[in-house]
Amino acid sequence: DTGVSQDPRHKITKRGQNVTFRCDPISEHNRLYWYRQTLGQGPEFLTYFQNEAQLEKSRLLSDRFSAERPKGSFSTLEIQRTEQGDSAMYLCASRLRLDTQYFGPGTRLTVL
Amino acid sequence: KNEVEQSPQNLTAQEGEFITINCSYSVGISALHWLQQHPGGGIVSLFMLSSGKKKHGRLIATINIQEKHSSLHITASHPRDSAVYICAVDVTNAGKSTFGDGTTLTVKP
Repeated sequence: DTGVSQDPRHKITKRGQNVTFRCDPISEHNRLYWYRQTLGQGPEFLTYFQNEAQLEKSRLLSDRFSAERPKGSFSTLEIQRTEQGDSAMYLCASRLRLDTQYFGPGTRLTVL
Repeated sequence: KNEVEQSPQNLTAQEGEFITINCSYSVGISALHWLQQHPGGGIVSLFMLSSGKKKHGRLIATINIQEKHSSLHITASHPRDSAVYICAVDVTNAGKSTFGDGTTLTVKP
């Protein structure tokens, strides 16, 4: 257990539905990252927060994706109108400034 | 071409062998990370490097900033070392990290 938790661990949804994932980072960590990982690939950067500010978003993050980190604590990642191509493992990580990243266990999304 | 390339993609070794996994990158970095991912499991950070060499138990990580290359060595490999090893870099003046596609290591008893 790294101290970073994600909920749910697994999500199965039908195409077109909206889904929301939650990440609870280590409490004193000011940076929080979202990544997506598909089978056989390394994680791909989606977005990151420094405290409550979303500082960078990947071009991979289409308009259907939105992330928030209210009050600089937990974060949510929402995918609207899910597509089969969204099926992947969604990983959250947190770190204190530019120190080591601590990863959550991930949320595995399956879009039918 | 990916900004972070790892080799080999797959590696099978016998228990006790010395293992080397390589990582080359093409961008400016402030730090490089070696990560371990077990099947169905989360990702654990092994090392964070900005220069030189670090050692933790049977694991050694080195980095050559001028050549933009890093290696992860495992001495006296054991079946429990079987996992995917991922190289990641913190891109200079950017918030993001970029990851290699990982090296799948299988150590046979």
